[in-house]
Amino acid sequence: DAKTTQPNSMESNEEEPVHLPCNHSTISGTDYIHWYRQLPSQGPEYVIHGLTSNVNNRMASLAIAEDRKSSTLILHRATLRDAAVYYCILRANTDKLIFGTGTRLQVFP
Amino acid sequence: EAGVAQSPRYKIIEKRQSVAFWCNPISGHATLYWYQQILGQGPKLLIQFQNNGVVDDSQLPKDRFSAERLKGVDSTLKIQPAKLEDSAVYLCASSLYRTAVNSPLHFGNGTRLTVT
Repeated sequence: DAKTTQPNSMESNEEEPVHLPCNHSTISGTDYIHWYRQLPSQGPEYVIHGLTSNVNNRMASLAIAEDRKSSTLILHRATLRDAAVYYCILRANTDKLIFGTGTRLQVFP
Repeated sequence: EAGVAQSPRYKIIEKRQSVAFWCNPISGHATLYWYQQILGQGPKLLIQFQNNGVVDDSQLPKDRFSAERLKGVDSTLKIQPAKLEDSAVYLCASSLYRTAVNSPLHFGNGTRLTVT
């Protein structure tokens, strides 16, 4: 399984943009880049996914490097509710979802 | 739509006892997963069902863990006998299809198991 590398933790202030990086230098052509987040005492929650092009949804944006060896999850205006562990996961079409340890995001008022 | 339901929310047992967890996936979701999450780690897949058949149970400790999904809907995960290292949150998830595109996993809030 292709691996991802994420910082252990990041901090942000409320209402500021947050850029969460993910490195995946061994990504294969069939791997989709998925992001999930896990709020305290809850199960993981799907955030966004993409293959090659940048993606936007109501929760976040996903920026994918041209060589696909890295990606960035962008929260445009962080709120206290965005404090969570964010997981960047590579997953080919029918592969299982394998979680790493993720990035713990702290948001300060 | 209603989310993935899990019960109980918490369970405390002594080692060597048995325990069972229940999961009701989102209606119509064919694929069901059980994950184990130890404190400070990401979730680890234990078993994956497609309808009522097992797709992947390679990480399931089969000497003590068992799971079933009768009629392709609800599922139960059982541990017998429990060990101290089984203390974790057990998460159930479901997805509409097995494929990644447009079929994200929906997770329940888990059952926190403490083995003393």
